[in-house]
Amino acid sequence: GAVVSQHPSWVICKSGTSVKIECRSLDFQATTMFWYRQFPKQSLMLMATSNEGSKATYEQGVEKDKFLINHASLTLSTLTVTSAHPEDSSFYICSARRTGAAGYTFGSGTRLTVV
Amino acid sequence: KQEVTQIPAALSVPEGENLVLNCSFTDSAIYNLQWFRQDPGKGLTSLLLIQSSQREQTSGRLNASLDKSSGRSTLYIAASQPGDSATYLCAVSSFQKLVFGTGTRLLVSP
Repeated sequence: GAVVSQHPSWVICKSGTSVKIECRSLDFQATTMFWYRQFPKQSLMLMATSNEGSKATYEQGVEKDKFLINHASLTLSTLTVTSAHPEDSSFYICSARRTGAAGYTFGSGTRLTVV
Repeated sequence: KQEVTQIPAALSVPEGENLVLNCSFTDSAIYNLQWFRQDPGKGLTSLLLIQSSQREQTSGRLNASLDKSSGRSTLYIAASQPGDSATYLCAVSSFQKLVFGTGTRLLVSP
């Protein structure tokens, strides 16, 4: 149980375009999901906490207008990278925690390359 | 601010060796600590979770310990195998957030 699906697994886009990444909890409902960013050979950095039915909470230094988060249902959160630039190229991973569970489950990640 | 550090940053061992990965954190006010494995270009696989009230957890060849008062956790891997090669991350949970360590890249040679 506690499976999180993330799509797409990789995407290449042109500078200036927007890219949407989906994170779904397949077998449980998640009122809260989390979005992380990982640079090569570095650890995961929390970008924002996605709250179902309300605004996301962004970590310090993360541009909320650039990284739009929508959590419209209890099983789906989306991260949209708007007006992407090469410096946005990174590995993005989402996670969620089943209610009552102690641990977090992670998606398989999305490799974004902006050219 | 919680900071999590892992030592060593990289480790290369021959197959069959027992090894220890270390994780330290600065704020002992944690709910739990979780060890993950990450293969190159992939997501995270949870290995073990230790609640703040627990001292250790075991799963197969893996054993994780937690000393909350000193801000330390260790992951012990017995009889290492080439398939264990990956990056190992520890993460501390506090105030609904996970703070990740810097990771240990492990290479087990046949």
